[in-house]
Amino acid sequence: ELKVEQNPLFLSMQEGKNYTIYCNYSTTSDRLYWYRQDPGKSLESLFVLLSNGAVKQEGRLMASLDTKARLSTLHITAAVHDLSATYFCAVDVGNYQLIWGAGTKLIIKP
Amino acid sequence: GAGVSQSPRYKVAKRGQDVALRCDPISGHVSLFWYQQALGQGPEFLTYFQNEAQLDKSGLPSDRFFAERPEGSVSTLKIQRTQQEDSAVYLCASSLGEWGNQPQHFGDGTRLSIL
Repeated sequence: ELKVEQNPLFLSMQEGKNYTIYCNYSTTSDRLYWYRQDPGKSLESLFVLLSNGAVKQEGRLMASLDTKARLSTLHITAAVHDLSATYFCAVDVGNYQLIWGAGTKLIIKP
Repeated sequence: GAGVSQSPRYKVAKRGQDVALRCDPISGHVSLFWYQQALGQGPEFLTYFQNEAQLDKSGLPSDRFFAERPEGSVSTLKIQRTQQEDSAVYLCASSLGEWGNQPQHFGDGTRLSIL
């Protein structure tokens, strides 16, 4: 069975701290996407990772992909309140389909 | 520019009724996807169109679900004889090219509630 597992599913942290969200997947893939979703809003694309070792950074967020380990990480540096949202990873498994994780709900407290 | 537009934003229907959900993708986008998202879960793939061709409908949960994109732009997801388990947010997404390598741009979704 194809699985994409994110952990943690819920994370409450203080502003200024660093943390990492993990995305593990069960099948061979070299394409992975990270999205952000605010409550009641649509999904916003954050990063597209297309090869083993890919690293992308935007502001306080950095994403990486290790296709051999079937693992992607989303690292948050010096968190600020505006980063509070739910973060999803999605894995391209071919056949026009993305398999999505359950999401990590991130709350950043002032 | 205009993003992906979905209507209605909210839909309440009685069990057994038929519903139709509309998606206007970003102009010129070749690929169009429909997803179902349950509360607290990630989206689940329903179907994929490349222009007007429905290339994958393996995610549609039953034959009560039907999607079309007759002219390669606007798409409609129809659910016949709705049941309570159909209650969810239905998301539409589009991307510029054919499948692969590009992020999908999502609409705000239609929240469907079946009473």
